[in-house]
Amino acid sequence: DGGITQSPKYLFRKEGQNVTLSCEQNLNHDAMYWYRQDPGQGLRLIYYSQIVNDFQKGDIAEGYSVSREKKESFPLTVTSAQKNPTAFYLCASSHEQGKTEAFFGQGTRLTVV
Amino acid sequence: GESVGLHLPTLSVQEGDNSIINCAYSNSASDYFIWYKQESGKGPQFIIDIRSNMDKRQGQRVTVLLNKTVKHLSLQIAATQPGDSAVYFCAENTGGFKTIFGAGTRLFVKA
Repeated sequence: DGGITQSPKYLFRKEGQNVTLSCEQNLNHDAMYWYRQDPGQGLRLIYYSQIVNDFQKGDIAEGYSVSREKKESFPLTVTSAQKNPTAFYLCASSHEQGKTEAFFGQGTRLTVV
Repeated sequence: GESVGLHLPTLSVQEGDNSIINCAYSNSASDYFIWYKQESGKGPQFIIDIRSNMDKRQGQRVTVLLNKTVKHLSLQIAATQPGDSAVYFCAENTGGFKTIFGAGTRLFVKA
């Protein structure tokens, strides 16, 4: 089945630790995105990537980092610099950036304890 | 399940009735609009899209209407079913990387 897979579904982290969220897609999409979702708010863009080895900051990139070494993979690292990391993180991909719909993963719920 | 949108606007409808979910978009230059459905604990799923050269588009049980004059988008769901209960997001795009998502509306279907 083609799709986009995020792991893990739930993640707990101690304050001061970095943590990496996985996102893999087998849809052959060029564009990939990371969003953050908080209760009562829409999705906010953290980072996006148009092609391999290229990525750009979104609206709320501070405290996050990404890599795009392979077309299929776009991992997100939440660093200790992120002041309020507890949130629901969504990865997405699309065939053509901004012109077609995005396909979303099932999300990762990150909780800082 | 995941709590997304604890304080969202809520629309409550009776099973079998039609639902209309409204959305005001922000950018008059936006030319591509999408509706997504998000069930509790899951990622958003594409429902239907429309481009700015159209006023109306129909899918299976869903219709999207676009009024560019007042920057308004609506999603109509015919014969609403309990499985339609979810949070619905509209999204707008100007053709680049930036897709702007609305805060969402929670649809609750009463059996």
